[in-house]
Amino acid sequence: GQNIDQPTEMTATEGAIVQINCTYQTSGFNGLFWYQQHAGEAPTFLSYNVLDGLEEKGRFSSFLSRSKGYSYLLLKELQMKDSASYLCAVNTGFQKLVFGTGTRLLVSP
Amino acid sequence: DSGVTQTPKHLITATGQRVTLRCSPRSGDLSVYWYQQSLDQGLQFLIQYYNGEERAKGNILERFSAQQFPDLHSELNLSSLELGDSALYFCASSVATSGAGTGELFFGEGSRLTVL
Repeated sequence: GQNIDQPTEMTATEGAIVQINCTYQTSGFNGLFWYQQHAGEAPTFLSYNVLDGLEEKGRFSSFLSRSKGYSYLLLKELQMKDSASYLCAVNTGFQKLVFGTGTRLLVSP
Repeated sequence: DSGVTQTPKHLITATGQRVTLRCSPRSGDLSVYWYQQSLDQGLQFLIQYYNGEERAKGNILERFSAQQFPDLHSELNLSSLELGDSALYFCASSVATSGAGTGELFFGEGSRLTVL
């Protein structure tokens, strides 16, 4: 089976840093994605990791450890507009993405 | 704008009815995916097509079916609808075909189905 776990909800303050963790156990692995989804809207791509290590893209960074089945998304200098759900997804092969249930992040002033 | 177009955006229907959701992928993308997202649930993979052929199947009910046409647009048919089928249905497309590549999916805005 496929298992992808993320915390259900997190809160943080504007300007702070937050780390959203994701652990996975899947039948195949061809990379891990993070998507952002505002309520009622389409998910939008944030980052992709296929090798171990850190990928940095502006205020967002994503880390992967394949041996531990673990990834995290790091958001710096939080803004109110970052309040959204963050979805961890594993490419299990042939671009079939299996998603976690998502982490709802609430950024407060 | 992701370039993926879904219609209709909203649909209200009754139990037992049948509906068809339509998706046009980004220009050049050969793969189309369908996902279901119920309230407070994650994205559940339903089915994937590549260049007209079924590539992978997820937790798709037997009451649901899909196809991808020669012009690469896709349709998801939902029949004998139940209250629990109320959800957002997302279509996504990608250009990658094999296990290699980023496999980034581009999502449409979704079709919100309400079954009363």
